[in-house]
Amino acid sequence: GEEVAQTPKHLVRGEGQKAKLYCAPIKGHSYVFWYQQVLKNEFKFLISFQNENVFDETGMPKERFSAKCLPNSPCSLEIQATKLEDSAVYFCASSHPERVWQGAKEAFFGQGTRLTVV
Amino acid sequence: AQSVTQPDIHITVSEGASLELRCNYSYGATPYLFWYVQSPGQGLQLLLKYFSGDTLVQGIKGFEAEFKRSQSSFNLRKPSVHWSDAAEYFCAVVVSGNTPLVFGKGTRLSVIA
Repeated sequence: GEEVAQTPKHLVRGEGQKAKLYCAPIKGHSYVFWYQQVLKNEFKFLISFQNENVFDETGMPKERFSAKCLPNSPCSLEIQATKLEDSAVYFCASSHPERVWQGAKEAFFGQGTRLTVV
Repeated sequence: AQSVTQPDIHITVSEGASLELRCNYSYGATPYLFWYVQSPGQGLQLLLKYFSGDTLVQGIKGFEAEFKRSQSSFNLRKPSVHWSDAAEYFCAVVVSGNTPLVFGKGTRLSVIA
């Protein structure tokens, strides 16, 4: 597709429930990034993928969070046993491999998934 | 590690007035610089970017930004603000390769009549 598609737009989970978010990158983009926006301001990088391989997971909480990008499927971010503090907007972004290789990166963002943990 | 500072948390301007939003970055070399806008409940829209070359870059919606290496700044400007410009503005940098974007904490712009 021509845009990064994130689903669902809104997700409400009770504390302790599982949450799963999806991201379909722009066709031809092989880099995918997940960010968490809390308090309406701060963006925290979570994880990036190069195709289906984890590229950088330095921002990923060690517990409860996992992510995958499998061939021919949307990428996913899963939170096991959600906590109140996981309430945030989760953004996915994708970028073109050539541009990344050249050191110049323009990331295209999806509309985000607003996760509310109650 | 690189960082981005947006000194102004909230700015209010009158419709038709000029606007400047400040952004300073901390990094040893010149990073790639971006300005994004986020309207309430919306995703991030890229306004403009600087990679190299002319230090004054033009973006969408009448915005421009000037890269000043000596000041490590990349301030966003608009000569005449419209009410629809009310939003949150984020400055971001990426240094090279496959590093993730580093965002500032944003500046909220309010526009009054």
